[in-house]
Parts: sequence; structure tokens; C-alpha cells
Amino acid sequence: EDQVTQSPEALRLQEGESSSLNCSYTVSGLRGLFWYRQDPGKGPEFLFTLYSAGEEKEKERLKATLTKKESFLHITAPKPEDSATYLCAVRKEDSSYKLIFGSGTRLLVRP
Amino acid sequence: DTAVSQTPKYLVTQMGNDKSIKCEQNLGHDTMYWYKQDSKKFLKIMFSYNNKELIINETVPNRFSPKSPDKAHLNLHINSLELGDSAVYFCASSQRNSGVSYNEQFFGPGTRLTVL
Repeated sequence: EDQVTQSPEALRLQEGESSSLNCSYTVSGLRGLFWYRQDPGKGPEFLFTLYSAGEEKEKERLKATLTKKESFLHITAPKPEDSATYLCAVRKEDSSYKLIFGSGTRLLVRP
Repeated sequence: DTAVSQTPKYLVTQMGNDKSIKCEQNLGHDTMYWYKQDSKKFLKIMFSYNNKELIINETVPNRFSPKSPDKAHLNLHINSLELGDSAVYFCASSQRNSGVSYNEQFFGPGTRLTVL
């Protein structure tokens, strides 16, 4: 069964304390792995797409990496404004184009 | 502003009522989606339309009926609302037939439905 699992469920960091979020997946053929950020009361905001193992994408303090079984979202020297829920989703290699989401990691960065 | 918009943002209603949620996108995308986010924050696909054609119809009760009058609009009508329908409903859009992109989906702000 296709599955996306994110860990940890919640993460508290001090400002400046770097860490990583994990997204592991089991799908029959990956056609893209997506990272989103979701703030309370808002819709998910697109961050990155990764397609092939070994690929990396960066945006400000965030860097996403991909292997054949998992993806990491590395947060370097986070700031309080990075506090949000980070969602991972995968798209299967079929015609449906649907995304299968994980349950997210709630990140809190304290000043 | 270019965006995906939804109305209403909040919807509180009694069990058994019928309600609709509207979605519009001005990103020029050809595919739109409805997702349901439950209390545990899981986002689950419900429906998708590509150029007004239904292409995804997950295991959703028949009480839910999507309608796409044109490729910029996708509405969701729910009949005979039940307590378990309480959730946040998100609309999203993407460009399916881009040939290059991986079809990133862009989400609306959500509609919080509360059934009493």
C-alpha cells in the first residue's frame, strides 16, 4: 500500500538550532516528491519538488534532499518565522496526478 | 492577485443540511482538486477535474458532488451533512499538461466546515 510517513510528529528548536525533518515513502513508482509549508488557518504553500534520488533543492534556510526511500528537509539556523507544519507528499507514476500526503511535522522555533 | 480562492472561509451548519463550497483559480491551470484535511491534519484527495472532466474520484460518499463549470472553477456540493463531514476542505490547482513541470499543486486558503 502506498504510504508517506513523516517524523518527528512535532519538533521544538531554539532559534539557530539546526535540525532535519524526515519523510519516508513507499509507493509503486515515484513521479515526484513535494514539500509544503502550512501555517495555522492557511492552505499549504509549495516549497520544493524533488524528482530523482540524489537531487537537492535549497531556499533560504531550507534544503530538501531525496533518496530512493526518503526525503529530508534540513533547516539551518532556523528563525521563529520558520514555525509551521511541514508537509511531504508524493506523486505516483500513474495517470491520476494525485498527491499522497504525510501527516506533517509541526515545527516550533523559539526565540 | 493571482491565487486560488475559496468561499466561504467558515461554514457552520446543522446535520442534514445541504451546502456548497466554491473555488476559483486565476493561475491559468487546467486541473483542479478538492482535498479534505481532518483533525489529525491528514490531507486526502477527494476529486480532481482536468479541463472540466472528472479524473480522480476517490472513495467519497455520494453525498459529495463536485461540479466544474469551466477550468477556472470547481465547486463542491454536500448533501445531507453529517457530523463526520466536519473538516477543512482545500481546493488546489495545477497545470497537468505542461510537459515539463512536475505539476506542483497550489492550494487555496481552505473552508472550515463545522456540522452541529
